[in-house]
Amino acid sequence: EVQLLESGGVLVQPGGSLRLSCAASGFTFGSFAMSWVRQGPGKGLEWASGMSGSGRSIYYADSVKGRFTISRDNSKNTLYLQMNSLRAEDTAVYYCAKERGSGSWSHYYMDVWGKGTTVTVSS
Amino acid sequence: QSVLTQPPSASGTPGQRVTISCSGSSSNIESNPVTWYQQLPGKVPKPLIYGNDQRPSGVPDRFSGSKSGTSASLAISGLQSEDEADYYCATWDDGLNGRVFGGGTKLTVL
Repeated sequence: EVQLLESGGVLVQPGGSLRLSCAASGFTFGSFAMSWVRQGPGKGLEWASGMSGSGRSIYYADSVKGRFTISRDNSKNTLYLQMNSLRAEDTAVYYCAKERGSGSWSHYYMDVWGKGTTVTVSS
Repeated sequence: QSVLTQPPSASGTPGQRVTISCSGSSSNIESNPVTWYQQLPGKVPKPLIYGNDQRPSGVPDRFSGSKSGTSASLAISGLQSEDEADYYCATWDDGLNGRVFGGGTKLTVL
């Protein structure tokens, strides 16, 4: 069974840093692109970042560019999101998602989602 | 403000057919495939439609998707109480070089 388990979400002060992890199992992790999607309290879904299976292609939403860094360790089947210069508006549940599709990223969709980890940015 | 525009709410009675629209532009919907996600209350999102009109395995054929120009639609026929959820459209935006979502539509089954 394909599973994704996020961890690392905590309460952090504005301007602080945090690293989220997503442990994957049940599939050949290095063969699939992965993404982070967030959902603020009572709000809609917002895609934050994505990375190809090899790690060579990386994409960010404008709202996190320059502050967040996505990475992966295929030997550990784990995806990461390093979050710096955190702001109140970064408060959200952060989901890790497996991408499915072929060709370019425009033809991918997120077929498996983790249960999420909660990040709260507040003083 | 979301890049893709959806109505904030929709409703229908059991057995009815409802449609949810998603409006975008030439740099996103017109150029790239659309995915629809369903998020049941308190649950994780799951894909309902991908590639504009394809259903993942296990999704009932009551759900269908279509696209024309810069707009896409999700149709749900034979509405059931368990369809009450938030629905999101998503696609790639070539200008932003990233994935974009609609603001979501809350579907109420009356």
